[in-house]
Amino acid sequence: QKEVEQNSGPLSVPEGAIASLNCTYSDRGSQSFFWYRQYSGKSPELIMFIYSNGDKEDGRFTAQLNKASQYVSLLIRDSQPSDSATYLCAAGGGSYIPTFGRGTSLIVHP
Amino acid sequence: KAGVTQTPRYLIKTRGQQVTLSCSPISGHRSVSWYQQTPGQGLQFLFEYFSETQRNKGNFPGRFSGRQFSNSRSEMNVSTLELGDSALYLCASNLGQGANYGYTFGSGTRLTVV
Repeated sequence: QKEVEQNSGPLSVPEGAIASLNCTYSDRGSQSFFWYRQYSGKSPELIMFIYSNGDKEDGRFTAQLNKASQYVSLLIRDSQPSDSATYLCAAGGGSYIPTFGRGTSLIVHP
Repeated sequence: KAGVTQTPRYLIKTRGQQVTLSCSPISGHRSVSWYQQTPGQGLQFLFEYFSETQRNKGNFPGRFSGRQFSNSRSEMNVSTLELGDSALYLCASNLGQGANYGYTFGSGTRLTVV
């Protein structure tokens, strides 16, 4: 059974701070890792994907992957109230279907 | 470029009825996947279609079925509805098989079974 684990939160950070979201996965065969953002009442939106160990940066977002530890993280710098949402981590790749975590709720307070 | 279109947005059905949901993927995308999302279980994979063929199937009962047409549009059907089928049903579109580059989700169909 492939599993992706996330702390459900909520993670509460002040505006302007760095939000750190974490995820672990069980399947060592996973090759691709994704972060989706889901606002309340909306559908998930892909914000980052990462394949290689190390960091990948896109604007205020940095995804980090450590395959040896089976660990993925998402850092959000200069957090804004508009970043308040649930963040879903997914692991997959190749021809098989990604497995999603249940998401971490992030609250950015002014 | 149009996104993934799901219809209808909302549905209320009675136990025992059946329902059909529709999804039109992004133009050029040949893969369509369906997910069920509930507060308790999160996103659960239903099935994936690629070029009209079901390539993967999740762990759902046979009451859940789907198909894909030659224009890549997909439909999902749930027969003999149960209260537990109340959920947000999401369709996801991507270029190839297995979502190597991530999904683009539609807005979803919110199904309520009463």
